[in-house]
Amino acid sequence: NAGVTQTPKFRVLKTGQSMTLLCAQDMNHEYMYWYRQDPGMGLRLIHYSVGEGTTAKGEVPDGYNVSRLKKQNFLLGLESAAPSQTSVYFCASSYSRGRGDNTEAFFGQGTRLTVV
Amino acid sequence: SQQGEEDPQALSIQEGENATMNCSYKTSINNLQWYRQNSGRGLVHLILIRSNEREKHSGRLRVTLDTSKKSSSLLITASRAADTASYFCATDARGDYKLSFGAGTTVTVRA
Repeated sequence: NAGVTQTPKFRVLKTGQSMTLLCAQDMNHEYMYWYRQDPGMGLRLIHYSVGEGTTAKGEVPDGYNVSRLKKQNFLLGLESAAPSQTSVYFCASSYSRGRGDNTEAFFGQGTRLTVV
Repeated sequence: SQQGEEDPQALSIQEGENATMNCSYKTSINNLQWYRQNSGRGLVHLILIRSNEREKHSGRLRVTLDTSKKSSSLLITASRAADTASYFCATDARGDYKLSFGAGTTVTVRA
């Protein structure tokens, strides 16, 4: 049972380049999240999804887009990377008992992105 | 802004001592969760306490929740070197789907 898998694990981008981070989960979870983690700031929510075909903005959505075409996959896109997007990105998924009633979230191992 | 805020930011204790950290949040919640993150790794779920619960135990972990003060505490008893990690609280606000994290408490357990 793989849980939550993120690809790639590391990436270096030049300013202005684009890329897509892939998150895959095999637990049939409805909810999926993308966070970024910067030193001293904990995890900040970028976008999230409560089901296939749905996405919503989190705290820091600017500069990112997401898609959830299949229940098991949640993609995070950077259209034009900026140095401020240098961070560690985490994907998570969880089962829900209902609106706003989450259960434990399972996290991927993270993607370390550097934008130069 | 982030929903939860942990206190203290950092904690250093001797092996065998207890470690206590606190989390305060801003809005009414359904659940509060605590997670651990070892350096360079993803977060791992430790314990979930629902808004109608006041205390919960799991092994050496004890979590309390005071909804009137919008605060929670995590106690790790008889700490070990392997407990060295960052600890985060996470909340899902009532009526919301989002799971929001605080900035975390970094715990160092000295041998």
